[in-house]
Amino acid sequence: DTGVSQNPRHKITKRGQNVTFRCDPISEHNRLYWYRQTLGQGPEFLTYFQNEAQLEKSRLLSDRFSAERPKGSFSTLEIQRTEQGDSAMYLCASSSTGEHRGYTFGSGTRLTVV
Amino acid sequence: AQKITQTQPGMFVQEKEAVTLDCTYDTSDPSYGLFWYKQPSSGEMIFLIYQGSYDQQNATEGRYSLNFQKARKSANLVISASQLGDSAMYFCAMFRLYSGGYQKVTFGTGTKLQVIP
Repeated sequence: DTGVSQNPRHKITKRGQNVTFRCDPISEHNRLYWYRQTLGQGPEFLTYFQNEAQLEKSRLLSDRFSAERPKGSFSTLEIQRTEQGDSAMYLCASSSTGEHRGYTFGSGTRLTVV
Repeated sequence: AQKITQTQPGMFVQEKEAVTLDCTYDTSDPSYGLFWYKQPSSGEMIFLIYQGSYDQQNATEGRYSLNFQKARKSANLVISASQLGDSAMYFCAMFRLYSGGYQKVTFGTGTKLQVIP
C-alpha cells in the first residue's frame, strides 16, 4: 500500500484550457474526497464519492468542474475553461467505511493558471 | 454549521522546547471528531492526532497530545520536545458524520510553526 497517489504534482496551464487531475486512493478505501486549498487557507470540501457514486458536491464546484470515479477505483477531477481563480492546490483523500480517525491525503496537485 | 478557529497565524519555538497551538471550534452536533494535520512545504496533509467528542481521555500520539476541553470547545495541540522537522503548517479540523456515515471535514486556517535551532 503506497498511500494516496495524485498526478500530476504540478500543472501550469493557460487560462481557458481544460485540465484533468487523477487520484488513486488506497486500494481498500471505498470513500474518496476532493478538497481545494488556496494560499493561506485550510482545505475546503469539493466533492465525495462512495465507491463509484458521487454523493455530494459543494457549491464551490461550479459547472466547469466535473469529477468521476469509474468502477469505484481511481478518480479524476476535470476543470474546463480554467480561470486564474482556479489556481490552488487540489487534494484528494480516501477513507474506509467505519473509519472515523480521519482521511489519508495525497500530496496534492498544484494548479497554476496563467 | 461547523467552524474551526485558529488565532495564531505563526508561532516560533526553540528546538527541544514544548509548544501549544490553539484551536477552538463551534458545532451544535453532539457527536463529532477533532483532528490535527501537519502540512510541510511539500503539500501533503499528514494526520497527527484524533479526538472523539465522547472520549474521556485526552489523545496522545508520541510527542503530540491534544488538550481537549469540551466545555470550552477547545482542542489545542501540544508538541513536546520540538524538532527542526516540526516546522510546517498545522491545521485543526473537525468532522461531522452525515447520513450514510460519510465524513465532511472542516479545516481551520492553520498555524505556521517554525522551530529555531
